[in-house]
Amino acid sequence: GAVVSQHPSRVICKSGTSVKIECRSLDFQATTMFWYRQFPKKSLMLMATSNEGSKATYEQGVEKDKFLINHASLTLSTLTVTSAHPEDSSFYICSARDQRANTGELFFGEGSRLTVL
Amino acid sequence: AQSVTQLDSQVPVFEEAPVELRCNYSSSVSVYLFWYVQYPNQGLQLLLKYLSGSTLVKGINGFEAEFNKSQTSFHLRKPSVHISDTAEYFCAVSRNSGGSNYKLTFGKGTLLTVNP
Repeated sequence: GAVVSQHPSRVICKSGTSVKIECRSLDFQATTMFWYRQFPKKSLMLMATSNEGSKATYEQGVEKDKFLINHASLTLSTLTVTSAHPEDSSFYICSARDQRANTGELFFGEGSRLTVL
Repeated sequence: AQSVTQLDSQVPVFEEAPVELRCNYSSSVSVYLFWYVQYPNQGLQLLLKYLSGSTLVKGINGFEAEFNKSQTSFHLRKPSVHISDTAEYFCAVSRNSGGSNYKLTFGKGTLLTVNP
């Protein structure tokens, strides 16, 4: 199956700093990628839809200026958590759809655990 | 809009026992249905999916699920579980209507714990 890779898998940062998380589709092109946030013992919350070459579409309640998304190429989307605070600590997961397979199936990255001190 | 209800937040079972994880959905349009598994500190892995055709779907690791349109259910089953099946399981639904955005709506997850 298609492979989606996230980097870094774990990151610890100080409050007030910015952190960038990368999501890459390794063997397919993805015009659309999705960023999810997962709280402990909770389901996945869709944060935004990342669109190659255009602005991301954010879900209601997600701060656009806090969570910057860039989808510069057909294989790479980045999520930057700006001026991170402890409440931003979470597990962030990206996913992408293989547009060659019109099935609606999404392939997920391994996730990135962010800890803000 | 779609919604997914996973009726059990936790399911403890003994090794080699059968298990069923329940999932119900609601949608005003046709849907695709998925089950994903998540091991601790990892991303999601697809177990199986229903797109069309046979309502009994077989997936990886010996899991299967049956789509029941009249009951709007997509329950996940395994006849004999292993310790290694201990994980969080998520049921998900997306619109079956084409287009470029296949947003998945997830249930809240069911923690399957297999005890020796």
